[in-house]
Amino acid sequence: GQNIDQPTEMTATEGAIVQINCTYQTSGFNGLFWYQQHAGEAPTFLSYNVLDGLEEKGRFSSFLSRSKGYSYLLLKELQMKDSASYLCAVAPQTRYGGATNKLIFGTGTLLAVQP
Amino acid sequence: AAGVIQSPRHLIKEKRETATLKCYPIPRHDTVYWYQQGPGQDPQFLISFYEKMQSDKGSIPDRFSAQQFSDYHSELNMSSLELGDSALYFCASSLGQGSGEQFFGPGTRLTVL
Repeated sequence: GQNIDQPTEMTATEGAIVQINCTYQTSGFNGLFWYQQHAGEAPTFLSYNVLDGLEEKGRFSSFLSRSKGYSYLLLKELQMKDSASYLCAVAPQTRYGGATNKLIFGTGTLLAVQP
Repeated sequence: AAGVIQSPRHLIKEKRETATLKCYPIPRHDTVYWYQQGPGQDPQFLISFYEKMQSDKGSIPDRFSAQQFSDYHSELNMSSLELGDSALYFCASSLGQGSGEQFFGPGTRLTVL
């Protein structure tokens, strides 16, 4: 089966750093994505990890450990506009080992940034 | 830059009616995905198409069908609508199959009364 876990809610202060964790158990693995979603809007792409390690992209960084089934999204210098849901999504493999193009989403972490 | 276009943006239907949602992918993108997101829930994968052929299928009810046309746009047809079908329906597109960034459209908000 497929299981992706994230904390439901987090609160942080403007200017601070926050880390949002994601653990996954999927039938295969072909990459992990982080998306940001404001209420009622489309998810927007933040990062993609397929190999172990840290990917840095401006104020956002994402880390992956495939052996631990674990990823985190790090947001630095938080701004009020960063208040949103952050979705961890995994691209699994088909049982025949090929990459499937669907994304399995976690339940999302609602981040509230306070002044 | 051109983005994924979905129409209509909002749709209100009665129970047992039918609905058609349209998706126009980013130019040159050959893969389209449909997701359903209920209130307070994560997006659930419904179905995807690559080069006009169905490439993967998720939790799509038998009452729903979809296809991708020669110009790569896709339509999701929903029949015998139920109250539980009320949700945001997102279309996403990408270039090629396999993993890679999927670009999401603004979504169609379907309300079934």
